[in-house]
Amino acid sequence: KAGVTQTPRYLIKTRGQQVTLSCSPISGHRSVSWYQQTPGQGLQFLFEYFSETQRNKGNFPGRFSGRQFSNSRSEMNVSTLELGDSALYLCASRPPSGSYEQYFGPGTRLTVT
Amino acid sequence: SQQGEEDPQALSIQEGENATMNCSYKTSINNLQWYRQNSGRGLVHLILIRSNEREKHSGRLRVTLDTSKKSSSLLITASRAADTASYFCAPIYNTNAGKSTFGDGTTLTVKP
Repeated sequence: KAGVTQTPRYLIKTRGQQVTLSCSPISGHRSVSWYQQTPGQGLQFLFEYFSETQRNKGNFPGRFSGRQFSNSRSEMNVSTLELGDSALYLCASRPPSGSYEQYFGPGTRLTVT
Repeated sequence: SQQGEEDPQALSIQEGENATMNCSYKTSINNLQWYRQNSGRGLVHLILIRSNEREKHSGRLRVTLDTSKKSSSLLITASRAADTASYFCAPIYNTNAGKSTFGDGTTLTVKP
């Protein structure tokens, strides 16, 4: 099975712009979670989607949003980018068996200038 | 905070030595997982230990769980340079099965 894929892998944006990141989970996985990783704040949970519904949400401002499609692919959007949004954005999928194990993608490195 | 807290923050050892890192958490858990992250990449799941288990092995990895102390440890035996990475624990609480909370991790450097 192919692993979790994320596109793009690298992205440079300027302040005030918006960005959309994409995540394709492992085939058959319906749960997709997003995380932000920065040197200062570490790994922080953004949100989790399951069957096109947001199931969990972290403590991020409304500028961060996401959605999941019927094929389980997920996108996250960040509007009005700030310098502090520069980070590695990771998505992870979980199998439908109820397993807690998460399978992570390689991440999207976002740089905001 | 519901995240796990790893200790030490950084660990440097010689190849062949054992590496031990610890994780503490605050409230009752369903299970606890350990992940590894190589520099700038995604996390890789290493091992899961359930709240009713005390010890688990996987290859050169040994994980222990002490629910009375709300702590877990990860032991890597006979370390290799390829073990150089950051290691994170992720306690899973009953009410947040789909949400993993990670600490800052332990950065392990294994010198050849």
